Formats: sequence, structure tokens, C-alpha cells
Amino acid sequence: DTEVTQTPKHLVMGMTNKKSLKCEQHMGHRAMYWYKQKAKKPPELMFVYSYEKLSINESVPSRFSPECPNSSLLNLHLHALQPEDSALYLCASSNRGSGTHNEQFFGPGTRLTVL
Amino acid sequence: AQSVTQLGSHVSVSEGALVLLRCNYSSSVPPYLFWYVQYPNQGLQLLLKYTTGATLVKGINGFEAEFKKSETSFHLTKPSAHMSDAAEYFCAVSDTNAGKSTFGDGTTLTVKP
Repeated sequence: DTEVTQTPKHLVMGMTNKKSLKCEQHMGHRAMYWYKQKAKKPPELMFVYSYEKLSINESVPSRFSPECPNSSLLNLHLHALQPEDSALYLCASSNRGSGTHNEQFFGPGTRLTVL
Repeated sequence: AQSVTQLGSHVSVSEGALVLLRCNYSSSVPPYLFWYVQYPNQGLQLLLKYTTGATLVKGINGFEAEFKKSETSFHLTKPSAHMSDAAEYFCAVSDTNAGKSTFGDGTTLTVKP
């Protein structure tokens, strides 16, 4: 299984809502990533988990809260978002370790709209 | 510190023509380089990668890229464009120590019939 899955595909939420994005991979990868992508822009790294521990937080606002319950799952909890947070949220995984080159496998993304 | 520059945010070619998408990188360590493709409303898919060894790298869908250290370049080519190649293409450089990749701004490829 060489697939990264993400749910939901689309999400519309108000600024007072709490929602979660989910990501799953069964490739045995030990690094997982959250990216935010605006239209016609490259992905912007938000968080990196390595061996289920948060290793990189790219100064993301606290209204985004990542969670890695186990090596296959990655969640992104959303609370009190702003309209400018509307974007495509991409999850990716890679096989960390020496000589693994950090090739990333991406999921299809969740299209988030904040009203 | 690493960076990637993709020259040309939009490239338009005719079907059957050569595709050339340009990428220059900056890296303080030997780079690992990648090309990804993104179709509308989808995630990124790896086209090809350079790690070590042969500098001419072949990928999926008939694409290839050549690593030129002296020019700090990793340009993507395909001899004959298909309509299905129309997409957004991202060049990326990886820092395995930091555990993250740096992406270029992307190039939108349009293929005209």
C-alpha cells in the first residue's frame, strides 16, 4: 500500500467551529507532515512528526493543533480559524533515517473553507 | 540554508513539442533533488529524484532531469508533450538533517493542441 489517505476531502466551517483533519498511511513511514497550500503557490510546511514526536513547528498559530496518535495516523485539530486559513491542507509521509533522502508521499488533500 | 528557483512561472508548449522546465538550487550540502507534479485539486506526485550516482535521472510519464553541479541546475525535460502533461510542476531540494524539503514556486505547464 503506497497511499496516503486524507479525510474529509472538503470541509466548510465557521470561525467558531472545532473540526479535525485526518491523515493515514500504512507504508511504515516514520515521518509525517502537514502542509498548507494556497492556490497557485507551493506547499508551506506547517508541522513535522518524526517517530511520533513533533520535530518541526514552523511558527504555526495555536488555532492549528497537530496530533500523532500512532505511527500511521496524523490529525490536525482546528479551532477558531480565520477566513485566510482557507486553503488545501496536504498530508505527506516519508521514510526517515540515514540515506532515505526524504522523498515524500502526499495525500490528495482536504479543501478547507472558513466562513 | 537551501533554496530553489524555478525560472518561468508559466510555460506553454504545443502537443508533441519538447518540454523544458527550469530549476536552479542552492544548498550548503550535497543536495537531494526532486520534481513533483500536481494536477488540479490533487496532492503532489513524485516524478523523479536525484540522490547520488547517475546525473541523468529518468522518471514516470517519460520525464527526465539532469543534475548539473557546476550550474546548480536540475532541469526537467520531456521530448514530446501530451495534453495530459498540463499541470503544476514543483522542484524541491531536501535537507535530510533538518527533515524537510524546500519547494520552488512552481511552474504551470499548458499544452496546446
